[in-house]
Amino acid sequence: EADIYQTPRYLVIGTGKKITLECSQTMGHDKMYWYQQDPGMELHLIHYSYGVNSTEKGDLSSESTVSRIRTEHFPLTLESARPSHTSQYLCASSDTGPSSYNEQFFGPGTRLTVL
Amino acid sequence: GNSVTQMEGPVTLSEEAFLTINCTYTATGYPSLFWYVQYPGEGLQLLLKATKADDKGSNKGFEATYRKETTSFHLEKGSVQVSDSAVYFCALRLNSGNTPLVFGKGTRLSVIA
Repeated sequence: EADIYQTPRYLVIGTGKKITLECSQTMGHDKMYWYQQDPGMELHLIHYSYGVNSTEKGDLSSESTVSRIRTEHFPLTLESARPSHTSQYLCASSDTGPSSYNEQFFGPGTRLTVL
Repeated sequence: GNSVTQMEGPVTLSEEAFLTINCTYTATGYPSLFWYVQYPGEGLQLLLKATKADDKGSNKGFEATYRKETTSFHLEKGSVQVSDSAVYFCALRLNSGNTPLVFGKGTRLSVIA
């Protein structure tokens, strides 16, 4: 079944740790996105990619980095986590075909807590 | 620039009440418009969409009409249920060029029995 997956779903770590949030999709989509969702629900685009070896920063400045080595995989890395990184992180993907109407499909999210 | 403004919540309604969540937009080009829903503990799901003026998107009893003259895409449902309790996001995306979705800030809906 075509879908978009995020692991882990929940993560509690200490300050200074390096972490990688995983995102994979089996829909063959070219475009992938990372959003940070604050407790007030607002979504902030932090990274996106339009294909392999393509990455762009989003609207919200973030200390995280991303890579896109394979079409289906778009991991997000924090080199040194801080309490200010505590948030919900949502991954999404979309196709670019003419019949897609630009719909974005979202993963279930990773809730990160940094102590 | 491109932006979406939706009514602030939270919105609390009794079961079977009528729902309206207002959404207006500004866009530098011709956008497609979307409503997404986020249930507790989950990611966002597409609820409905409209790609051109006067189109009506509908799904699960929800409707929204693309009004170019008022730059609006208000979400409505005639009779809400407890299971509709969620956060609703209005969004736009330009039909030309490679641009990500632009989201409103979200409106939390709570439906009580």
